[in-house]
Amino acid sequence: DSGVTQTPKHLITATGQRVTLRCSPRSGDLSVYWYQQSLDQGLQFLIQYYNGEERAKGNILERFSAQQFPDLHSELNLSSLELGDSALYFCASSVEDRGGTEAFFGQGTRLTVV
Amino acid sequence: QQQVKQSPQSLIVQKGGISIINCAYENTAFDYFPWYQQFPGKGPALLIAIRPDVSEKKEGRFTISFNKSAKQFSLHIMDSQPGDSATYFCAASSGGDTDKLIFGTGTRLQVFP
Repeated sequence: DSGVTQTPKHLITATGQRVTLRCSPRSGDLSVYWYQQSLDQGLQFLIQYYNGEERAKGNILERFSAQQFPDLHSELNLSSLELGDSALYFCASSVEDRGGTEAFFGQGTRLTVV
Repeated sequence: QQQVKQSPQSLIVQKGGISIINCAYENTAFDYFPWYQQFPGKGPALLIAIRPDVSEKKEGRFTISFNKSAKQFSLHIMDSQPGDSATYFCAASSGGDTDKLIFGTGTRLQVFP
């Protein structure tokens, strides 16, 4: 158990809908990262928050947004869902935002868009 | 420049053999190179990591070899076991303003008895 909790584990929704994925980082970790894992794209970095502030953006679509709350949990919001958004979404956390800090991954949320 | 290229895509090894997975990068600002192991239905978990100031790091049966001039690094799994069957990802990050990990595309390793 990495200590990173993601909910829900599975999510099935229709095209055009909006969903929210939740992540609770390890106790004491200030940095939260979101990754998308699909079969043909591997692990793609979406966005990073550090202590409530956005720190880095990757290949995140405009339909997607995220935030980190004062209690350090984070939510990833996916809207106007398309079939191609079906993927595993992972949250990871680390204690700092400096290079070389081990990132701990949650077990992921499997999103299926039908 | 942000890419990390990983090969092979899949690897089949007999029990007791050596598994070798290779990665290459372009961004010379990368200064942290971890390997993650992922079992089906689980999140990636850190296996071993290296910084460019050393050319090799060994932890048990797992060794990272690092070639800074060639911008390549590899994972060697000695005495491979069926329990090692998983997907392995190399990754890289730089200090800078963010330490986000850039992942390779993954290698699915199958170790047969």
